[in-house]
Amino acid sequence: AQSVSQHNHHVILSEAASLELGCNYSYGGTVNLFWYVQYPGQHLQLLLKYFSGDPLVKGIKGFEAEFIKSKFSFNLRKPSVQWSDTAEYFCAVNARRDDKIIFGKGTRLHILP
Amino acid sequence: EPEVTQTPSHQVTQMGQEVILRCVPISNHLYFYWYRQILGQKVEFLVSFYNNEISEKSEIFDDQFSVERPDGSNFTLKIRSTKLEDSAMYFCAIPPASGRGNEQFFGPGTRLTVL
Repeated sequence: AQSVSQHNHHVILSEAASLELGCNYSYGGTVNLFWYVQYPGQHLQLLLKYFSGDPLVKGIKGFEAEFIKSKFSFNLRKPSVQWSDTAEYFCAVNARRDDKIIFGKGTRLHILP
Repeated sequence: EPEVTQTPSHQVTQMGQEVILRCVPISNHLYFYWYRQILGQKVEFLVSFYNNEISEKSEIFDDQFSVERPDGSNFTLKIRSTKLEDSAMYFCAIPPASGRGNEQFFGPGTRLTVL
């Protein structure tokens, strides 16, 4: 069965700090990988996705993530965070043969102005 | 990004009552998905629905749950006899307009509170 592990439950940073949120998944086959973001009071939005090709993917709002197959990881990064990045971030995976998306528990990011 | 709306935004019900949650995609979709998120926990897959049939369901999706497409456009999730532990956010999701895709776009959710 697939599973997703997010390393940090709650991260607090100051504006302009660099961000890296860890994500590891467990599945033996080919997967698609996602990061979703949920801003306060809003619904889940797709931040970025990896299906195939270049393992370094760029998403919206300056976010990027790197797929490292050997480590089963898909960490999210941003070089300089802003107060508006305060949100909850979910790493997710689905198997290529599947429809369902499996989510991690989420990381609540709080940016201090 | 395809749009999807959900109604109601918040539903309060008594334990044992039936609730129907609705999902309305802006354009025609054959695939849709339901997920739930209990407060403080992760988003969990419930069921996928394709062309008027369930294509996959999780162990959470037991006999008290059902899904249907009553009028060809919107999709519903029915919980027949609600329990306290059904209190959660329920999200509908749809794939890209081109059809089935591993990428899914989520609606704003319905917050269900069971008293």
